[in-house]
Amino acid sequence: EIVMTQSPATLSVSPGERATLSCRASQTLNTNLAWYQQKPGQPPRLLIYGASTRATGIPARFTGSGSWTEFTLTISSLQSEDFAVYFCQQYNNWPLTFGGGTKVEIK
Amino acid sequence: EVQLVQSGAEVKKPGESLKISCTASGYTFTTYWIGWVRQMPGKGLEWMGIIHPVDSDTRYSPSFEGQVSISADTSATTAYLQWSSLKASDTAIYYCARLIDLRFDFWGQGTLITVSS
Repeated sequence: EIVMTQSPATLSVSPGERATLSCRASQTLNTNLAWYQQKPGQPPRLLIYGASTRATGIPARFTGSGSWTEFTLTISSLQSEDFAVYFCQQYNNWPLTFGGGTKVEIK
Repeated sequence: EVQLVQSGAEVKKPGESLKISCTASGYTFTTYWIGWVRQMPGKGLEWMGIIHPVDSDTRYSPSFEGQVSISADTSATTAYLQWSSLKASDTAIYYCARLIDLRFDFWGQGTLITVSS
């Protein structure tokens, strides 16, 4: 099973600042990685797939990058609606696995 | 508009059985895999398994194999997640989601299952 490790667990950022979230895989994924955003009381929402492709309707301030085992989600200028928990998910191997999540909170 | 509508919250006792549902609309049900994801209270996401409605080809996470059963009814455009004997540790929110290329692109609203004596 591929283990996905996200860091940091919590990120405190001021509105308007940049946030950089990391996701590391225990085996190579090529670019078969997705990012999701989850707000309290809501289901997750797909943000990024293929490591760097934004899903439909996702603002350009969300950027995914990386390949093989190291991946990054960057939010260029945090808006109030971006404070949430972010999960990465690998879909290169069975079983599909998620990272433990990074909570982005207001500083 | 793609929609996945899940059945309502349940409160059950340990040892009881349960089947929850996820009804799809707005797309061709037989074209996409549907998966189930568990989220325990205050925790992260865990992939449980997926099913392809056309032939009921099902894949389970090793963590959930033998613990749950996933099925689908194409005439009802509905996927199901079933337990034969619930445990307190099954208390969680369960999400269904459509998959495209093994990523989850549309999600249901979640079903809260509480198992308590």
